[in-house]
Amino acid sequence: AQSVTQPDIHITVSEGASLELRCNYSYGATPYLFWYVQSPGQGLQLLLKYFSGDTLVQGIKGFEAEFKRSQSSFNLRKPSVHWSDAAEYFCAGTPRTAGNMLTFGGGTRLMVKP
Amino acid sequence: DTAVSQTPKYLVTQMGNDKSIKCEQNLGHDTMYWYKQDSKKFLKIMFSYNNKELIINETVPNRFSPKSPDKAHLNLHINSLELGDSAVYFCASSRRGGQGAPGNTIYFGEGSWLTVV
Repeated sequence: AQSVTQPDIHITVSEGASLELRCNYSYGATPYLFWYVQSPGQGLQLLLKYFSGDTLVQGIKGFEAEFKRSQSSFNLRKPSVHWSDAAEYFCAGTPRTAGNMLTFGGGTRLMVKP
Repeated sequence: DTAVSQTPKYLVTQMGNDKSIKCEQNLGHDTMYWYKQDSKKFLKIMFSYNNKELIINETVPNRFSPKSPDKAHLNLHINSLELGDSAVYFCASSRRGGQGAPGNTIYFGEGSWLTVV
């Protein structure tokens, strides 16, 4: 079955520290992959997406993600976290043959210590 | 200039009632969706419409009935509300083919928080 997994439910980092949020996928073929962020009481905002080409993709707010086929992963990174980055982060994927079926991971809650 | 707007944002209602959530997008997209986020933050697609035609209907109770009067609107009507329907409902839209076509992005609304008491 197609799935997206985020192994970490909660992560706490200090402000200014680096961040990596993990995402693993399980699809028959490489899916399209996305990261969304949800601030408390807010909707979902797209951070970045991977369709093809360069496996390191840049997004908004200083985030980047690296697609690794060998590890079935699409981890999100940021070199220096700001307090405003505290939010829920969702990884999502969709098969290339069924473009509008987003499957979401369970989310990772990021907390930022001063 | 909200791209995808939903109303109401918060809704508290009693069991057994019927309620609707409205969604409108001004992006010129022809595909719209409803997603449900449960109390554990898990997000799952419910419905997808393309040009007012239903194209995805996941396993959802038939008490949930989407209505698309035109391609800019996709409303969600829920009959006989149950406690388990309490969730956040997200409307979304994209161009034809959704995320499958390079360059397409699914844009989400800000969510409608439904509480059934």
